[in-house]
Amino acid sequence: GAGVSQSPRYKVTKRGQDVALRCDPISGHVSLYWYRQALGQGPEFLTYFNYEAQQDKSGLPNDRFSAERPEGSISTLTIQRTEQRDSAMYRCASRHPSGSGETQYFGPGTRLLVL
Amino acid sequence: GQQLNQSPQSMFIQEGEDVSMNCTSSSIFNTWLWYKQEPGEGPVLLIALYKAGELTSNGRLTAQFGITRKDSFLNISASIPSDVGIYFCAGPFRDDKIIFGKGTRLHILP
Repeated sequence: GAGVSQSPRYKVTKRGQDVALRCDPISGHVSLYWYRQALGQGPEFLTYFNYEAQQDKSGLPNDRFSAERPEGSISTLTIQRTEQRDSAMYRCASRHPSGSGETQYFGPGTRLLVL
Repeated sequence: GQQLNQSPQSMFIQEGEDVSMNCTSSSIFNTWLWYKQEPGEGPVLLIALYKAGELTSNGRLTAQFGITRKDSFLNISASIPSDVGIYFCAGPFRDDKIIFGKGTRLHILP
């Protein structure tokens, strides 16, 4: 596609439910990143992949959060047993293989609201 | 952990005025990045700085990489209404993990 896409754009769920957020990177982009952005804050790094390999997951808040990219393209961020504090905008970004770290292109985000 | 501190948090200016904002870090960065985020959109890269002391322009935007490598400045000249948004500084930390500041919100008064 022309840009990074994310789905759903909005997700409302009840506390305790699991949610899966999807990211479809720009075609050909090797690296894929997940960020969380709370209202009024900058994006906070969660994890990233090169191809299908998860390179760094140090930003995942706890073990309820996990991510995968099984075929090196689409990625899914899963939050189990959601809590109200998980409510935020979740953003995905992808990077061209020949670019250095800064050439990331961000998607529109998924806004998650946990009731 | 690593932190980037941006100031000011918010700015209210008249159209046509120049804008200056900065970003500081407790640690050295080898690259400084400036992003702009508009409502409902993701951050978009404006300027990347790679060398201490470097001064780089992108249209009406000018950014500088501080010589200590712990700070950076972004200036916008002759502001226009479409400059409204949140400006984030960011820097790569440990390979490609990018850390963002909390942003400077730019408002332009009619």
